[in-house]
Amino acid sequence: SQQGEEDPQALSIQEGENATMNCSYKTSINNLQWYRQNSGRGLVHLILIRSNEREKHSGRLRVTLDTSKKSSSLLITASRAADTASYFCACLTAGGTSYGKLTFGQGTILTVHP
Amino acid sequence: DAGVTQSPTHLIKTRGQQVTLRCSPISGHKSVSWYQQVLGQGPQFIFQYYEKEERGRGNFPDRFSARQFPNYSSELNVNALLLGDSALYLCASRYTGTQNTEAFFGQGTRLTVV
Repeated sequence: SQQGEEDPQALSIQEGENATMNCSYKTSINNLQWYRQNSGRGLVHLILIRSNEREKHSGRLRVTLDTSKKSSSLLITASRAADTASYFCACLTAGGTSYGKLTFGQGTILTVHP
Repeated sequence: DAGVTQSPTHLIKTRGQQVTLRCSPISGHKSVSWYQQVLGQGPQFIFQYYEKEERGRGNFPDRFSARQFPNYSSELNVNALLLGDSALYLCASRYTGTQNTEAFFGQGTRLTVV
């Protein structure tokens, strides 16, 4: 089963609005990472948040992590048409034998209308 | 600096054939991972290699194999191709084999099995 599950599956907004995507996971993690993917191409790394961190910022991106609820959120402020893409959360699981394995969710498809 | 490079970008194979996909990591990165992304889903972990040793294996059949060379480049081999192997195959490199570092992805190889 998926470790990370994103919500909503699809999000449609107007340019200038904020976009919030949520991710839930099942087991303990070392860190959680967010990626963007344009039109089925490669994944672009956005931000990594460690299990002992609660919030991180990078430009217009804000990520929060709540380990008690096993959830994370990605906020994109003042969205632009160029932000249109699929967004994935990926969990690096604590312990286990898979060294550096990322488990991805199904993704959120974000459409920003000009 | 070049990012993660993958070749070929697109490939069409017939059922039962064998395929080899190639990946060159970012200079200085010793860890390479392979992921399979079926249309509409998140990437699924196949293998991770670090310092030429296999460090993790996902839930894929033995038809899938990989190796890492002394220059840290990697190959993914898939034998006896099935229609269900049609997917985007992504390679990711990481600075070290430890866990709290970002994974950087290539643009992927789009494999179509007919």
